[in-house]
Amino acid sequence: DQQVKQNSPSLSVQEGRISILNCDYTNSMFDYFLWYKKYPAEGPTFLISISSIKDKNEDGRFTVFLNKSAKHLSLHIVPSQPGDSAVYFCAALLQGGSEKLVFGKGTKLTVNP
Amino acid sequence: DTEVTQTPKHLVMGMTNKKSLKCEQHMGHRAMYWYKQKAKKPPELMFVYSYEKLSINESVPSRFSPECPNSSLLNLHLHALQPEDSALYLCASSPRQGDAYGYTFGSGTRLTVV
Repeated sequence: DQQVKQNSPSLSVQEGRISILNCDYTNSMFDYFLWYKKYPAEGPTFLISISSIKDKNEDGRFTVFLNKSAKHLSLHIVPSQPGDSAVYFCAALLQGGSEKLVFGKGTKLTVNP
Repeated sequence: DTEVTQTPKHLVMGMTNKKSLKCEQHMGHRAMYWYKQKAKKPPELMFVYSYEKLSINESVPSRFSPECPNSSLLNLHLHALQPEDSALYLCASSPRQGDAYGYTFGSGTRLTVV
């Protein structure tokens, strides 16, 4: 059973536009969510996170929104840049619980110049 | 120092070889993790060490043997691997097991088993 789902395997946007990456989860006990960016043959790089007690967290061009009732979160990148092209993983954690980061399958973002 | 350092970056080994992957962090993190990632798949947890003790083993075959000699160092000893074990092996650390804030990944070791 996949607890964290990223239903779009790929997304293509134009430079300067907004990129929206989506993530759904099934376990309502998750209390922390993270987004990682990954280039080929490199480890995931932490991008931004959000605690379940918040509904929004912003860091520069990156904003994560959390809708707990819908068990949905999204990552907004504005404006998108070609260097943002990578695979983005959503991950969820039950702090103090199983203590495992549960990853989605990732969305490959391509930002076209 | 806010990095997790993994060596080597690339490794090619035969099925009869014995090799080791190394992971190091100097952030004072007391939890360290090994993940395996195949192409186009998310990272899969293999092992968790908490305060230098093995906390979680995700039913990993015994040909993978983890070791945590001290709080800064994590090794993964490899023996008699199969070609299907070829993958990117990622190390991560966090302040304590289950801490999300500060969860940091290394760049990985690309392992090819021939």
